[in-house]
Amino acid sequence: KQEVTQIPAALSVPEGENLVLNCSFTDSAIYNLQWFRQDPGKGLTSLLLIQSSQREQTSGRLNASLDKSSGRSTLYIAASQPGDSATYLCAVSNQAGTALIFGKGTTLSVSS
Amino acid sequence: EAQVTQNPRYLITVTGKKLTVTCSQNMNHEYMSWYRQDPGLGLRQIYYSMNVEVTDKGDVPEGYKVSRKEKRNFPLILESPSPNQTSLYFCASSLLTGVDQPQHFGDGTRLSIL
Repeated sequence: KQEVTQIPAALSVPEGENLVLNCSFTDSAIYNLQWFRQDPGKGLTSLLLIQSSQREQTSGRLNASLDKSSGRSTLYIAASQPGDSATYLCAVSNQAGTALIFGKGTTLSVSS
Repeated sequence: EAQVTQNPRYLITVTGKKLTVTCSQNMNHEYMSWYRQDPGLGLRQIYYSMNVEVTDKGDVPEGYKVSRKEKRNFPLILESPSPNQTSLYFCASSLLTGVDQPQHFGDGTRLSIL
């Protein structure tokens, strides 16, 4: 059964720092991997989607990589800002492509 | 504005009193699904719908029902709620069938069942 793990569970950094969030999954038979952001009291916002045939995706200060063979993905945030404070969730598609399997998230706090 | 709308946002109710959480999307999306989010367990899928009149169970369907009579609406029904269904619920949708494209989530419904 697919399991998704995110490390660390929480992270505090000063503004301006570059940082990396990690995600690992146990079954490499995935359609895609998605990174989401969750703010308190709000839903999930899709940040990046990497198809299984791709190695990385970029959006602004965010860069996500995917290594299917090792079951790993990283989310790189450049020049962090207080507005980046949120919980970041990684999710992979199940084998049927009908559901996302989520990690428990990394809660990021960026101080000014 | 393109969005997924859930109602109610918050509800406190009692065991056994039937309730419905509505989900509506205005993006003409084919795929819709429901997840619940619990501390220490993360998000888990309850039910999904590939398109109108087609629904199927996710990982944790026990105690829930859904229907998809129209493309835009996907209500979640708790026929006889119990305290273990106290949770934060999210509805999601995407343009095409399946999860191989960005998922759009509602703002969530926090249910407390006493």
